[in-house]
Amino acid sequence: DAGVIQSPRHEVTEMGQEVTLRCKPISGHDYLFWYRQTMMRGLELLIYFNNNVPIDDSGMPEDRFSAKMPNASFSTLKIQPSEPRDSAVYFCASSRGQGVEAFFGQGTRLTVV
Amino acid sequence: AQSVTQLGSHVSVSEGALVLLRCNYSSSVPPYLFWYVQYPNQGLQLLLKYTTGATLVKGINGFEAEFKKSETSFHLTKPSAHMSDAAEYFCALSKGSARQLTFGSGTQLTVLP
Repeated sequence: DAGVIQSPRHEVTEMGQEVTLRCKPISGHDYLFWYRQTMMRGLELLIYFNNNVPIDDSGMPEDRFSAKMPNASFSTLKIQPSEPRDSAVYFCASSRGQGVEAFFGQGTRLTVV
Repeated sequence: AQSVTQLGSHVSVSEGALVLLRCNYSSSVPPYLFWYVQYPNQGLQLLLKYTTGATLVKGINGFEAEFKKSETSFHLTKPSAHMSDAAEYFCALSKGSARQLTFGSGTQLTVLP
C-alpha cells in the first residue's frame, strides 16, 4: 500500500486566499484524522471522521476551517480566508476500526504570507 | 482529562551511548500509549505501542519502552545510539472510541559523533 497520501506537500499563499489541503487515506481504513503541528502548540487534533462522517470537530480553531470527506478515499481541509497564523504543517492520518495504530501522511507545509 | 508530558525538549547523546527519552501521562482510563518518530520534513512513524499485556514493548530500530502504571510513565530507551536516530520523538496517548491521539510536546534527539 502507498500509505496516506497528502497533497500538496508545500503551499504558499497570500493572506485572504482560500487554501485546500487534500488527503487520501489507506484503503480499508475507516477513521481519518486531521492534525496540525506548530511550534507554539505542537501536534493537535483538528477533526476526525468515521466512515466518512465527521465525529468530533472540536479542535477546529475557527469557522474559517472546514473539512469534508465525500467518500472513503478522499478528504479535504479548507481554510477560507487564510491568515498568517494558519501557517503550520497539517497532517492527515488514518486507522482501521478500533485499530490503535494511526498511519500518518507526510504532511502539507502551509505558509500564509 | 488526558495529557502527556515529555521531560526535556532536547536530548543529546554520544553515538553508542544509552538513549533515554522520558514520557509521563495522565489518564482517567487505562491508556494506550505510543512513541512516534519524526524525521525532518517527514510524517510521523510509529516506533512502538502499548495496549494491554506485557508492559515491556519492543519496537523498530532497537527501541523499547516500559509501561509503569505506578509511575504513570512510558519512557523510551535504546541501548546504543546511532547517528540515524537523530530525529524528533513524540509520546502519545489514545482515548475515546476512535483512539484519537493526544501528543506530548516532543523531544529532539541529537546524536553526537
